[in-house]
Amino acid sequence: SYELTQPPSVSVSPGQTARITCSGDALPKKYAYWYQQKSGQAPVLVIYEDSKRPSGIPERFSGSSSGTMATLTISGAQVEDEADYYCYSTDSSGNPRFGTGTKVTVL
Amino acid sequence: QVTLKESGPVLVKPTETLTLTCTVSGFSLSNARMGVSWIRQPPGKALEWLAHIFSNDEKSYSTSLKSRLTISKDTSKSQVVLTMTNMDPVDTATYYCARIRVTILVDVWGKGTTVTVSS
Repeated sequence: SYELTQPPSVSVSPGQTARITCSGDALPKKYAYWYQQKSGQAPVLVIYEDSKRPSGIPERFSGSSSGTMATLTISGAQVEDEADYYCYSTDSSGNPRFGTGTKVTVL
Repeated sequence: QVTLKESGPVLVKPTETLTLTCTVSGFSLSNARMGVSWIRQPPGKALEWLAHIFSNDEKSYSTSLKSRLTISKDTSKSQVVLTMTNMDPVDTATYYCARIRVTILVDVWGKGTTVTVSS
């Protein structure tokens, strides 16, 4: 079955840049979306359609996509950005799928 | 303000059928560009998309769970119902409903409801 593969964990020092990748064979033709999930809370959309940022999401969050890989970048990571991050997209048939998830640690 | 709220049993027994209800406000289930998704998350694990339904009654199901899932809506009550048959302890999870756009963007989530499967 189709998979969106993410690294299990990413660590970054406060103020540095964190990059989270999402790999999937259908990504050249499908948009990627990114969600932030803090402990015990529902996910929150941080990036949609590869690189668009919803209102209220800090500018330090950005997204890009090239070939079979989408990337979420947190520029100048803050302690409050510590969370799990999930990419989301569809397979070639249009069935939604979440990525495997990445735990971001800021310390 | 768009909100979604999940409701249903906290505990179900193995082999039983789970019925979850999502009550929405701030948007209409008759809106042609919007629908409702169900997504679950076992403890400590990743999110898993289960199903969605749109205003024209178009439905889609997870391939791996399709035989066990049924999604339906009552537009007049602003409710979407998900049933999952033959529950197993591995189905223990937090179940979320969320608004989905026709572009498949999931943009607003409920707080989730935790379901435990145990005898």
